[in-house]
Amino acid sequence: NAGVTQTPKFQVLKTGQSMTLQCAQDMNHEYMSWYRQDPGMGLRLIHYSVGAGITDQGEVPNGYNVSRSTTEDFPLRLLSAAPSQTSVYFCASSRGLVFGNEQFFGPGTRLTVL
Amino acid sequence: AQTVTQSQPEMSVQEAETVTLSCTYDTSESDYYLFWYKQPPSRQMILVIRQEAYKQQNATENRFSVNFQKAAKSFSLKISDSQLGDAAMYFCASSNSGGSNYKLTFGKGTLLTVNP
Repeated sequence: NAGVTQTPKFQVLKTGQSMTLQCAQDMNHEYMSWYRQDPGMGLRLIHYSVGAGITDQGEVPNGYNVSRSTTEDFPLRLLSAAPSQTSVYFCASSRGLVFGNEQFFGPGTRLTVL
Repeated sequence: AQTVTQSQPEMSVQEAETVTLSCTYDTSESDYYLFWYKQPPSRQMILVIRQEAYKQQNATENRFSVNFQKAAKSFSLKISDSQLGDAAMYFCASSNSGGSNYKLTFGKGTLLTVNP
């Protein structure tokens, strides 16, 4: 099993550009989520999905869109990048909802917005 | 709302010694889980240990153990016989069975340095 994979590993954008961060898992997990990690802030939830076709907002959803058309994939779209979105982004998945279940994290994407 | 507080931004330990990382939390839920995740320089987040609030016995995983004090809302991580590979950022996190069971709430992290 590859686990949770994320592409790209690094990305530099200019303000106003759009892009999609890719996330895929091969463990048949129902639950997937996106977090952002900023220095001194821990990880904060952006969006999550409890299954194909079902998504919802987390703590910091503004400026991001998600969709979940398959169990395996959960892409994160930045519609118009802003410097405040400079961060490290992690995708995670688990067998069920977060309560009690180990979250499996991808390797992260470091995004810089100039 | 849940909150998780790690009061030690940085800690250091000598190789083979023992170190304890502190974590306090606040929740209004009666059932919840607490976790410690490790993030080495590779950035990969790895689960170290977890504890269910209903279980009185402290969780243990090899050299890693927790001191769970439910009344004090404290959940510290003890690393015994520290190794160079233990150097990492450690995050305490919580999840609950109630309305916010869709997410982990993380502390800000403690950076652990292991000195040879």
